Amino acid sequence: GENVEQHPSTLSVQEGDSAVIKCTYSDSASNYFPWYKQELGKRPQLIIDIRSNVGEKKDQRIAVTLNKTAKHFSLHITETQPEDSAVYFCAASMSGGSYIPTFGRGTSLIVHP
Amino acid sequence: GAVVSQHPSRVICKSGTSVKIECRSLDFQATTMFWYRQFPKKSLMLMATSNEGSKATYEQGVEKDKFLINHASLTLSTLTVTSAHPEDSSFYICSARREFNSPLHFGNGTRLTVT
Repeated sequence: GENVEQHPSTLSVQEGDSAVIKCTYSDSASNYFPWYKQELGKRPQLIIDIRSNVGEKKDQRIAVTLNKTAKHFSLHITETQPEDSAVYFCAASMSGGSYIPTFGRGTSLIVHP
Repeated sequence: GAVVSQHPSRVICKSGTSVKIECRSLDFQATTMFWYRQFPKKSLMLMATSNEGSKATYEQGVEKDKFLINHASLTLSTLTVTSAHPEDSSFYICSARREFNSPLHFGNGTRLTVT
């Protein structure tokens, strides 16, 4: 089955800096890659996603890049703010597996004011 | 849109009793619902996949007789933890999606404490 590795497990940045979280996946058939943000005590929420037919997607301060050849995708947050502090999960899913997402272990992002 | 409601948010029960957790998609029909268990500062561990009108598919290592899942309609799935023990104490969270390869929408989770 699919295996998703996510790094780093913890990321600490100063407010205004950029943050990058990286994920790799094992199955080249995966074609949908969402990112979820989970604030403490709250539900995970989709913040951005990308499909395998594009290499990059941007939404204001958040962007995701996908390298299908290398089988990795990354989340980029620019101009970080304290409210960006949360756990971020990447996921990968593929057709044929009924699109059951496989999640990474999560990255705890801490933005210091 | 795409709201998933999960109840209860917190439950405390005695060892040996059963607890039912409900997951409802409020404004969409969910072809599939997922149940996860999340340990502190850990990732989401998929327990089972639930498709409306059919038996749930359990992940390896998850006891289907202990964690009963029913998906009676396109908007409701339930997880019943039977004969709960303290080691079942955890955060359980459901998610639902409209169709294959569409985003997951999560419930708020249920904090189960078994005393």
